[in-house]
Amino acid sequence: AQSVTQLDSQVPVFEEAPVELRCNYSSSVSVYLFWYVQYPNQGLQLLLKYLSGSTLVESINGFEAEFNKSQTSFHLRKPSVHISDTAEYFCAVSDYSSNTGKLIFGQGTTLQVKP
Amino acid sequence: DAGVTQSPTHLIKTRGQQVTLRCSPKSGHDTVSWYQQALGQGPQFIFQYYEEEERQRGNFPDRFSGHQFPNYSSELNVNALLLGDSALYLCASSLWGQGSYQPQHFGDGTRLSIL
Repeated sequence: AQSVTQLDSQVPVFEEAPVELRCNYSSSVSVYLFWYVQYPNQGLQLLLKYLSGSTLVESINGFEAEFNKSQTSFHLRKPSVHISDTAEYFCAVSDYSSNTGKLIFGQGTTLQVKP
Repeated sequence: DAGVTQSPTHLIKTRGQQVTLRCSPKSGHDTVSWYQQALGQGPQFIFQYYEEEERQRGNFPDRFSGHQFPNYSSELNVNALLLGDSALYLCASSLWGQGSYQPQHFGDGTRLSIL
């Protein structure tokens, strides 16, 4: 069985400050890792993903995440946040060998960017 | 290029009633998955449909059922509604055979409220 733990339910931060949203996972099999973002009254949008190769993955809007296999973590970071980054962030895993792509999500972290 | 579309956007029902939610996948996708997102929680996998058959199911009772049509669109049916069924129901589409390698695309969801 797989599980995802997001260690912080809420992260308040001032604009232009750095931020880290923490994610740990548990799995007996190899997994793919994802970060999704959810803005109010909207569905989920893929932010970035780790499938293989370099353990550091980046998104087009300045977020990055690093896969750490030994610590089973996939923390999300941004060096300088904007007001528009205020949203709910979900870490998710998917079984590497699954044909279905079923996602297991964490509980979510609310990022609150203050002016 | 149309993304995943869901209808209705909002729905209010009373306990014991039945409800049907609808989803049209992203153009070119043939697989539909349904997730339930309770308030303050991460999405939970309900089931997935491909070739008009249920391919995988999460830990949800038989009150939750689904259907997929030849045009790949899908319905989620919930019978004997309970207060605990109040949630945002998300539909995600993907291409079968890609497995976990390709991310699922999500719709904006249907907000179901049970009174």
